[in-house]
Amino acid sequence: QVQLQQSGPGLVKPSQTLSLTCAISGDSVSSNSAAWNWIRQSPSRGLEWLGRTFYRSKWYNDYAVSVKSRIIINPDTSKNQISLQLKSVTPEDTAVYYCVKYESSSRGGWFDPWGQGTLVTVSS
Amino acid sequence: QSVLTQPPSVSGAPGQRVTMSCTGSSSNIGADFDVNWYRQLPGAAPKLLIYGNTNRPSGVPDRFSGSKSGTSASLAINGLQAEDEADYYCQSYDSGLSGSVFGGGTKLTVL
Repeated sequence: QVQLQQSGPGLVKPSQTLSLTCAISGDSVSSNSAAWNWIRQSPSRGLEWLGRTFYRSKWYNDYAVSVKSRIIINPDTSKNQISLQLKSVTPEDTAVYYCVKYESSSRGGWFDPWGQGTLVTVSS
Repeated sequence: QSVLTQPPSVSGAPGQRVTMSCTGSSSNIGADFDVNWYRQLPGAAPKLLIYGNTNRPSGVPDRFSGSKSGTSASLAINGLQAEDEADYYCQSYDSGLSGSVFGGGTKLTVL
């Protein structure tokens, strides 16, 4: 059974970098069939996919256009975890951030399971 | 504004059947990408309810069913129970955006 345990600060100052980690148990971050994602949820933006990292003989990353210039998602194979860095945050980045496993299929895929969520507030 | 469109709310009495829709476009649902559904209880993370348009993960009762046609999909719940009261979200992949997209969610109220 895959479990995702998130950690990181709940308060970030404007213009600084939001950093979260997600420890994976029950699966490998280097899995050839899964992708590891960050999704956020806020009242104003709803559920918003931010990006993913996955391994298919080499590492790949995909990012949402809305955050592409500010986001980095990195795998850490030694700790079997992924990390999220979102730079130059503003109050609009205030949201609950989720780490989520994506199971790929021929016509897309699905998100399961989800981490517990981390409320990150951007405020001075 | 979410890429996939869902009605903000639906309601039904215990024991009734309710359905909720999810409307997309030719770059996501209409491009033959699968639709998935998630249920979110207050204060909790979303949880997978239906995957691959019609499939239920183990543990999900057969009261829940999904369907897809053209650029839309639907979630049906038979024999409504009080515990079904939650927010429901649809999700698919969008080839134009090169990423996953969600609906704005439907709040189900059990009367």
